[in-house]
Amino acid sequence: ETGVTQTPRHLVMGMTNKKSLKCEQHLGHNAMYWYKQSAKKPLELMFVYSLEERVENNSVPSRFSPECPNSSHLFLHLHTLQPEDSALYLCASSLYRSDTQYFGPGTRLTVL
Amino acid sequence: GQQVMQIPQYQHVQEGEDFTTYCNSSTTLSNIQWYKQRPGGHPVFLIQLVKSGEVKKQKRLTFQFGEAKKNSSLHITATQTTDVGTYFCAAHSGNTPLVFGKGTRLSVIA
Repeated sequence: ETGVTQTPRHLVMGMTNKKSLKCEQHLGHNAMYWYKQSAKKPLELMFVYSLEERVENNSVPSRFSPECPNSSHLFLHLHTLQPEDSALYLCASSLYRSDTQYFGPGTRLTVL
Repeated sequence: GQQVMQIPQYQHVQEGEDFTTYCNSSTTLSNIQWYKQRPGGHPVFLIQLVKSGEVKKQKRLTFQFGEAKKNSSLHITATQTTDVGTYFCAAHSGNTPLVFGKGTRLSVIA
């Protein structure tokens, strides 16, 4: 399945680093999502973009900053993260907000 | 906001036994979707149910949508080791984004 790609697949960063996660979808979808998956909260919705406009921000700390430059690309900029932010970050897309979601393989993030 | 409750959280079965996971909502749902996430993988869409009382089958998997459109179940007959993973239900009302349940992690003992 290569409809939704994510890079990098693994990332280790220190608490003072700045890094970005990238997601790209080749499905012609209009909505894109960032999820955080950890042992404590299996699928935690972070952000929703619809037609490149952020439509949902689920009380995510400002050290996570999303960017959607066009309908095919979604970024998650990371800055001064905490060890508890270590998790699998999943990107997904859907044709419209209420439709079936297609997930990317995720980025396994470790914050030291 | 809307919540989707999924039980059980974990299920361990012997290979060949049946398995069922349940999903419940306090509100009427527009539709319900089921996803499977293999260990080390990402959630993959399995099926969508839309109609009240709908039943759909995929080989050994049977999906049901309740008459009131507030609950759903996924039943696996004669589990195999390839069924291992976490099964998520996801639902929405109206035009809201999907809300995922917490998932049921299935392990199958050979």
